[in-house]
Amino acid sequence: LAKTTQPISMDSYEGQEVNITCSHNNIATNDYITWYQQFPSQGPRFIIQGYKTKVTNEVASLFIPADRKSSTLSLPRVSLSDTAVYYCLVGDDTYGGSQGNLIFGKGTKLSVKP
Amino acid sequence: GAVVSQHPSWVICKSGTSVKIECRSLDFQATTMFWYRQFPKQSLMLMATSNEGSKATYEQGVEKDKFLINHASLTLSTLTVTSAHPEDSSFYICSARGGADEKLFFGSGTQLSVL
Repeated sequence: LAKTTQPISMDSYEGQEVNITCSHNNIATNDYITWYQQFPSQGPRFIIQGYKTKVTNEVASLFIPADRKSSTLSLPRVSLSDTAVYYCLVGDDTYGGSQGNLIFGKGTKLSVKP
Repeated sequence: GAVVSQHPSWVICKSGTSVKIECRSLDFQATTMFWYRQFPKQSLMLMATSNEGSKATYEQGVEKDKFLINHASLTLSTLTVTSAHPEDSSFYICSARGGADEKLFFGSGTQLSVL
């Protein structure tokens, strides 16, 4: 499973756009990139998943360059409630992939200030 | 979306006793469930992979006789911490694969405190 590297922490202010970049140099051809959000004393919550280029949903966008060795989670106009730890995971996780388990890295602790 | 229910959300027990944690997939069948442990301010650590009807696969360093996993049905997996000790105090999280697109969904976690 590909190892991921993220910044340990980031600070932002309400209303700003936040971009969190994750490095995964050893990503395999079958691997997808998935981002999770975790609040204290809660289980992780799925945010977004992608394979290449750009994916957008109602809460975030995910940008993946052509070499797929990194990815950037973009959170538009963050609020105080977006303060959480964000994990980038890489694995064969979707659409019947054989590798079901996901290995969590250290994550990025995002602190949103008023 | 798919929901995974984990119970109890917190438990306090005496040293030497056993504690059972349940993980249920409420609206889908989960052939595979996963158990994680998370210490304060640390990331999730995969403990074991639970497959319905077969023995669980444990990660290196996880004692299978101490952390008993049972996955008797497609909607329920249990983790039993046997003879719990204070060092077993941690946040335990389960996850299950399922739903229409086979995504991974997590339970809300169980905070275990061993006195």
